[in-house]
Amino acid sequence: AQSVAQPEDQVNVAEGNPLTVKCTYSVSGNPYLFWYVQYPNRGLQFLLKYITGDNLVKGSYGFEAEFNKSQTSFHLKKPSALVSDSALYFCAVRGGYSSASKIIFGSGTRLSIRP
Amino acid sequence: DTEVTQTPKHLVMGMTNKKSLKCEQHMGHRAMYWYKQKAKKPPELMFVYSYEKLSINESVPSRFSPECPNSSLLNLHLHALQPEDSALYLCASSVTLSITMNTEAFFGQGTRLTVV
Repeated sequence: AQSVAQPEDQVNVAEGNPLTVKCTYSVSGNPYLFWYVQYPNRGLQFLLKYITGDNLVKGSYGFEAEFNKSQTSFHLKKPSALVSDSALYFCAVRGGYSSASKIIFGSGTRLSIRP
Repeated sequence: DTEVTQTPKHLVMGMTNKKSLKCEQHMGHRAMYWYKQKAKKPPELMFVYSYEKLSINESVPSRFSPECPNSSLLNLHLHALQPEDSALYLCASSVTLSITMNTEAFFGQGTRLTVV
């Protein structure tokens, strides 16, 4: 079975500082990993994905994520946070052999950027 | 057009009502999904359609009835719902279900459903 964990319910960062939102995964076979962002009362917006290739993936709005196979992690990062980055962030995984069609979401991390 | 459009945005219904949620995409995607999201929780998969055929039903109660009339449309028919069914219902689509396509899902804005 595939699963994804986001160990932090909330991350607080000052504007201009770097931010990291953590994600670890468990999947049989090759993992396909995604990050989504959700603003209040809105749907999910796709940020970036890792399929294969370079471990550092660049996405929308200046976000990037680093795939680490040995640590089974896919942490989301941004060098300089903006107040407008405050939102709910979900890590998601799609993979395995029998559940290829499912995208499973982590519990979410609320990112709060203070001015 | 990279949008998934859901209507209505908000819906209040009684426990004896029958209503439908609608979802539309014109990206040529052949996989469509319904998710349910409670407040401050991750989306939970309900149904998956692939090429207009139901591919996955995550043991959803029969008071929720999905329908995919064509490749662009996905409906969720609601009947005899309970107050605990109140949630944000999200529709999503992707190019295909195939794992080899490695495709992300595009989400609509959701329908905020309140059952009274």
